[in-house]
Amino acid sequence: KAGVTQTPRYLIKTRGQQVTLSCSPISGHRSVSWYQQTPGQGLQFLFEYFSETQRNKGNFPGRFSGRQFSNSRSEMNVSTLELGDSALYLCASSLLDEQFFGPGTRLTVL
Amino acid sequence: GDSVTQMEGPVTLSEEAFLTINCTYTATGYPSLFWYVQYPGEGLQLLLKATKADDKGSNKGFEATYRKETTSFHLEKGSVQVSDSAVYFCAPASGGSYIPTFGRGTSLIVHP
Repeated sequence: KAGVTQTPRYLIKTRGQQVTLSCSPISGHRSVSWYQQTPGQGLQFLFEYFSETQRNKGNFPGRFSGRQFSNSRSEMNVSTLELGDSALYLCASSLLDEQFFGPGTRLTVL
Repeated sequence: GDSVTQMEGPVTLSEEAFLTINCTYTATGYPSLFWYVQYPGEGLQLLLKATKADDKGSNKGFEATYRKETTSFHLEKGSVQVSDSAVYFCAPASGGSYIPTFGRGTSLIVHP
């Protein structure tokens, strides 16, 4: 069974730009969650989508948004990038109570 | 909301040493408890879990027991290997959607 895939794996952007990250969950998983991981703040929950609806949301500004498609694939978008948005963005899919993580997208904002 | 306190790392051990990584949590109700592991350059993987009081989760020689009275879920391994070097995250998950709240992570370094 294929695992969670994330594209791209690495991304370099400049301040003020926007970025879209993609996540393909494990087949059959309808829940997709996004996390931001930084050395300073650790692993922080961004949002969760289930059946194309945002079901849970973390404490991030509105510049961070996401969506989920009918095939459960998910995208997250960050607009007006700031230097502090540099992080590893992790996507996880789940069926019940276990989260299965992708390898992450490393975003660097210059 | 839920919160987690993990011992700060890095924890540095020699191969075959005994490992304990402490974790205490606060959560609403009776959460499920998880340990995840992150190897260098990878995403997190579920290591083990326990879903009710006194349950013991175990995997790959690691164990942790759900202690409701002390709200703890300490991770132990009797004999660590170099390949266990990674960052370990404790995470309770409450509520119907089981979104885990992650601790800061504890880095483990095992020397040959």
